Amino acid sequence: KAGVTQTPRYLIKTRGQQVTLSCSPISGHRSVSWYQQTPGQGLQFLFEYFSETQRNKGNFPGRFSGRQFSNSRSEMNVSTLELGDSALYLCASKSWGGETQYFGPGTRLLVL
Amino acid sequence: GESVGLHLPTLSVQEGDNSIINCAYSNSASDYFIWYKQESGKGPQFIIDIRSNMDKRQGQRVTVLLNKTVKHLSLQIAATQPGDSAVYFCAEKGNYGQNFVFGPGTRLSVLP
Repeated sequence: KAGVTQTPRYLIKTRGQQVTLSCSPISGHRSVSWYQQTPGQGLQFLFEYFSETQRNKGNFPGRFSGRQFSNSRSEMNVSTLELGDSALYLCASKSWGGETQYFGPGTRLLVL
Repeated sequence: GESVGLHLPTLSVQEGDNSIINCAYSNSASDYFIWYKQESGKGPQFIIDIRSNMDKRQGQRVTVLLNKTVKHLSLQIAATQPGDSAVYFCAEKGNYGQNFVFGPGTRLSVLP
């Protein structure tokens, strides 16, 4: 099976812009979670989607949003980018009823 | 709130020696734990997991030990190899649809 894929792998934006990141889970996995990873804060949970519904949300401002499509692919959007949003954004998927999360390679976002 | 922490942020070991990476968790209700390995430029890779009804679980060259009394988790790597050099994260999860909480990570450096 192919693993979790994320696009794009690298992105450079400027403050105030918005960005959309994409994640395709492992085939058959219907749960997708997003994380932000920074050197200072480590891995922080953003949100989880299952069957197109947000099931769980971390402590991030409303500028961070996401959605999931009927084919389980997911996107996350960050509006009005700030310098502090520079990070590695990771997507993880797991099967329904399963608990083990499998991560993608991440999208590295740099905000200038 | 929940927190997962690591005792040692960095660990250097000689090639061929055994490595032990430690993790403390604070939520006594957590019932599922995972160790991930993250190499530079990659997403976290699943290594091994353990449920709270177990004290020990072994994989290929890796062993995870869980001490629920003191809320401590450890990852043992036998005959450490240069390819084991990476950052290792522990993650915990409760059993009520909660998200994973990750520790800050330990960098393992394997010396020749």
